[in-house]
Amino acid sequence: NAGVMQNPRHLVRRRGQEARLRCSPMKGHSHVYWYRQLPEEGLKFMVYLQKENIIDESGMPKERFSAEFPKEGPSILRIQQVVRGDSAAYFCASSPLYGNQPQHFGDGTRLSIL
Amino acid sequence: GENVEQHPSTLSVQEGDSAVIKCTYSDSASNYFPWYKQELGKRPQLIIDIRSNVGEKKDQRIAVTLNKTAKHFSLHITETQPEDSAVYFCAASSDTGTASKLTFGTGTRLQVTL
Repeated sequence: NAGVMQNPRHLVRRRGQEARLRCSPMKGHSHVYWYRQLPEEGLKFMVYLQKENIIDESGMPKERFSAEFPKEGPSILRIQQVVRGDSAAYFCASSPLYGNQPQHFGDGTRLSIL
Repeated sequence: GENVEQHPSTLSVQEGDSAVIKCTYSDSASNYFPWYKQELGKRPQLIIDIRSNVGEKKDQRIAVTLNKTAKHFSLHITETQPEDSAVYFCAASSDTGTASKLTFGTGTRLQVTL
């Protein structure tokens, strides 16, 4: 019973490049959440999606960041024209369809911007 | 929106002693309160959670209490062991009928010394 799978585990980009982070939820889970964790800080909500729908993107920066969860395939968090301040750990979590169920996290993607 | 405050930011206890971490929340609609343990470089792991229709929940050496009137909840770890050393995060969310985002506290770094 595979857990939440994220890849890559580590991603290095130069300023101005694009970063693509992938997340496959646990089997049977159709809700995906993305959180960002800056060094020595807590987790901050970014976006909540279900298949083909963005439910809540109130934590997403207005520019350069986008997320999708297509009908087939993993959820993708995309950061365009990365800057040094985007360096962080990005965690994905998933939960089942109904109710306030526990969210289970993936191992995260550690994004470093040179 | 919801705001969660967590104290203390660091906590050092001797092996075998108890540890208590406290959180307060602002949104009276919040009704689900999970606790996560995060070891260095690892994913946040759910260790216990409580819903607002329950005042206390226990799982072996870990217990959580909730005071809805005062809007605070606490994590209690008894008979601490070195492997309990980690950063602990409290969180809160409201049940809208579908899964909802988590608002995290800023974390407590627990150090269990021999």
